[in-house]
This record gives sequence, C-alpha cells and structure tokens, in this order.
Amino acid sequence: DAGVTQSPTHLIKTRGQQVTLRCSPKSGHDTVSWYQQALGQGPQFIFQYYEEEERQRGNFPDRFSGHQFPNYSSELNVNALLLGDSALYLCASRPGRNSPLHFGNGTRLTVT
Amino acid sequence: GQQVMQIPQYQHVQEGEDFTTYCNSSTTLSNIQWYKQRPGGHPVFLIQLVKSGEVKKQKRLTFQFGEAKKNSSLHITATQTTDVGTYFCISNFGNEKLTFGTGTRLTIIP
Repeated sequence: DAGVTQSPTHLIKTRGQQVTLRCSPKSGHDTVSWYQQALGQGPQFIFQYYEEEERQRGNFPDRFSGHQFPNYSSELNVNALLLGDSALYLCASRPGRNSPLHFGNGTRLTVT
Repeated sequence: GQQVMQIPQYQHVQEGEDFTTYCNSSTTLSNIQWYKQRPGGHPVFLIQLVKSGEVKKQKRLTFQFGEAKKNSSLHITATQTTDVGTYFCISNFGNEKLTFGTGTRLTIIP
C-alpha cells in the first residue's frame, strides 16, 4: 500500500515562472492539504481540499492555487514565482476530519 | 490570529537525559497532534490528544493535554540518539485550519 507520493522531488524555476506540483494521497484518504516549509522553519498551511473543493486556506496570496481530482489526487500551482517561494512543499492526506496527517516526502522548489 | 507557540526552539541534551517541549495557545484548542520530523525527512504522526487533561504514553514518550485545552507537552525519558529531530504540535482551532507550532529541534550529545 503506497503512502502519499509527491512529484517531482526537486524542481528549479526562474522568477516569474509558474510551477505545478502533484500529490497522490494514501489509499482510502479523501482529504489533501498542502504546506510550505522554508529552511529551518515549521510547515505553514496553504490550503486543504475535500470533495474536489478548497475547504480551508491559510495566509497565502492568490498566486497559490490548487485542484483536487475525482480520484482525490491534488495539484498545487504557484504563479509568478518569487525568490521567497523557494521551500519544501509538503502534501498530506487523511481519511477524514481530525484524523492524523500522512505526509509525502515533499517537493523541493528552488527559485532563482 | 490563532497561533501556537512552542518552546524551547532548540534543545541540546546529553544522551540519557530527559527532554520536554511545550505548546501554548491563547485560545482553546479543539485537539492537538504531535509529529516528529527527522532531518531531511517529513513529519510523522506520533499522537493525538482530544480530551481535557488527557495523558498518553508511548514507551519513553509521555504526552499531556492541559485541563483548559490551551497547552500541551511532550516529554521524552532517557533520550536516545534516535530521538533526534524536530517535534511539532499541530492544532485545530475548530475551523480545520491546521496550525503548526514553531517546533523544537532536539539534538543529542552522545
């Protein structure tokens, strides 16, 4: 049984470009959330998806958007990349509200 | 906004010593979860506390939830080198916006 898988593992982009990160949740999980973790910092909640809709959102600008597909997989899109967007992006899934989060290994995004 | 402060930010202990990290909130928490993140890894779930005054143990780890549900602690007895990592609490203030504590980075001196 595969856990949460994220792709790609590493990515280098230039300022102003757009990026799409992907996440496949653990089998049986229907809720997916995304986090940004800067080096040496704790993860910051970006948003959470359930039933293909964004349900909760953290303090991130509209440049950060997402999508959840009918098979519960999810994408995180970031437009107009800034140097400060360089971070580890973590995806987590869970089978329902208040359940423990299962994290993927993350995507390391570097913006130059 | 709703924040969870975690102290200390860093802790260096001799192997075999005890370690404690605390999460504090100014508002009542719906529940609290604790996670461990090894260097270069991703957070891994340890425990969830829901009830006021709840205490749970996992081998050398003891987790407590305050009576007012505004604070929580994780205590490790007789630390080992495998305990190295950053310990985070995550809270749900009832609005499902998951808020991470600032984390406590534990290093062990062999």
